[in-house]
Amino acid sequence: GNSVTQMEGPVTLSEEAFLTINCTYTATGYPSLFWYVQYPGEGLQLLLKATKADDKGSNKGFEATYRKETTSFHLEKGSVQVSDSAVYFCALSGSARQLTFGSGTQLTVLP
Amino acid sequence: NAGVTQTPKFQVLKTGQSMTLQCAQDMNHEYMSWYRQDPGMGLRLIHYSVGAGITDQGEVPNGYNVSRSTTEDFPLRLLSAAPSQTSVYFCATTSSGGGRDEQFFGPGTRLTVL
Repeated sequence: GNSVTQMEGPVTLSEEAFLTINCTYTATGYPSLFWYVQYPGEGLQLLLKATKADDKGSNKGFEATYRKETTSFHLEKGSVQVSDSAVYFCALSGSARQLTFGSGTQLTVLP
Repeated sequence: NAGVTQTPKFQVLKTGQSMTLQCAQDMNHEYMSWYRQDPGMGLRLIHYSVGAGITDQGEVPNGYNVSRSTTEDFPLRLLSAAPSQTSVYFCATTSSGGGRDEQFFGPGTRLTVL
């Protein structure tokens, strides 16, 4: 079956630091890959996505590239802000659009 | 256009009670899913539906029932609540075509079973 392995947290960074959150996956076929973000007390919001190999998803300064050869979709941001503090989830979609999630990574950015 | 709505927002049950979590969408999406979120475990799929009249089990279906009589609604029923079902429940929908795989999540229902 499908699975997603995500870098364990929590991660604490200073403002303007570089962020990487690792994500690798196991899946049959060619799934779409996603990063979702959850701010405190809220539901999940789509941050970015990629639907095929070598696609790069980007949004709000965050980027992730669909690497089929390493089955990875690592999230990066060059300069984090306090407002980026949240929980980040890597996910892939199955044939019926259902999502398989990683366990989530709590990010705290200090001023 | 309300998107995905869930009711109630909060609920406390006693062990053995039953209840239905409501989910409705106005985006005319075929696909709908229920997830539960537990600390340190991410979101896990409970049940999903690819259209009215069609449902299937996800990763953690035990103790939950679903039905899909209309495109808009996808209720989740707990027949006999247990403390292990204390969690935050999210409903999600997604479009069925055009490669648009984005899922839209409702605001969640926080359930406590005593």
